Amino acid sequence: QSALTQPASVSGSPGQSITISCTGTSSDIGAYNYVSWYQQHPGKAPKLLIFEVSSRPSGVSNRFSGFKSGDTASLTISGLQAEDEADYYCTSHTTTSTEVFGGGTKLTVL
Amino acid sequence: QVQLVQSGAEMKKPGASVKVSCKASGYTFTGYHIHWVRQAPGQGLEWMGWMNANTGGASYAQKFQDRVTMTSDTSISTAYMELTRLTPDDTAVYFCGRDLRMAIIVWGQGTLVTVSS
Repeated sequence: QSALTQPASVSGSPGQSITISCTGTSSDIGAYNYVSWYQQHPGKAPKLLIFEVSSRPSGVSNRFSGFKSGDTASLTISGLQAEDEADYYCTSHTTTSTEVFGGGTKLTVL
Repeated sequence: QVQLVQSGAEMKKPGASVKVSCKASGYTFTGYHIHWVRQAPGQGLEWMGWMNANTGGASYAQKFQDRVTMTSDTSISTAYMELTRLTPDDTAVYFCGRDLRMAIIVWGQGTLVTVSS
């Protein structure tokens, strides 16, 4: 199972919105609505931001939103804040009953 | 509160095995799957597999199919991940996590496994 494809890096200024894409195949993202997104700060465990494409766990800011179209999912962060600077990972359930992560995207807040 | 506490750092020689534990508290252990994810230094997250804490059944990523075993002891609400035939490429932080609809909602603190001769 190949990793999902994410851009290596994205950047934005405080207050702006950015979108991170995550491209898979018909065997993963295209097959199910089980796409999740995680935020990871250096030296910390990841934190779940989005599950089932667009659902937010309790306590996660509504500045984070998810979307999916075909084999590609995306995470949008609106009203960018300095604390959003982190690594972001997507993941999807697959047709072989496994999970696959994206390579990760480093977000820089300018 | 829901919590996963993992065992401490390990140092192993190439060819050895390692067994990492993940003790759950604050919820019914057998009600949720447990995932295992690893992260090599400076690298991204890599899903290794998951285990049904109720039945003991497991599904592994193809890459680890012949080297990993995920088990649990429901009497002490603890999951285990054993990785055999270690190489330096297995040096990583290993995380356990509790499932929520095919996502990982709660993460352990991570266990650093270092493989070096």
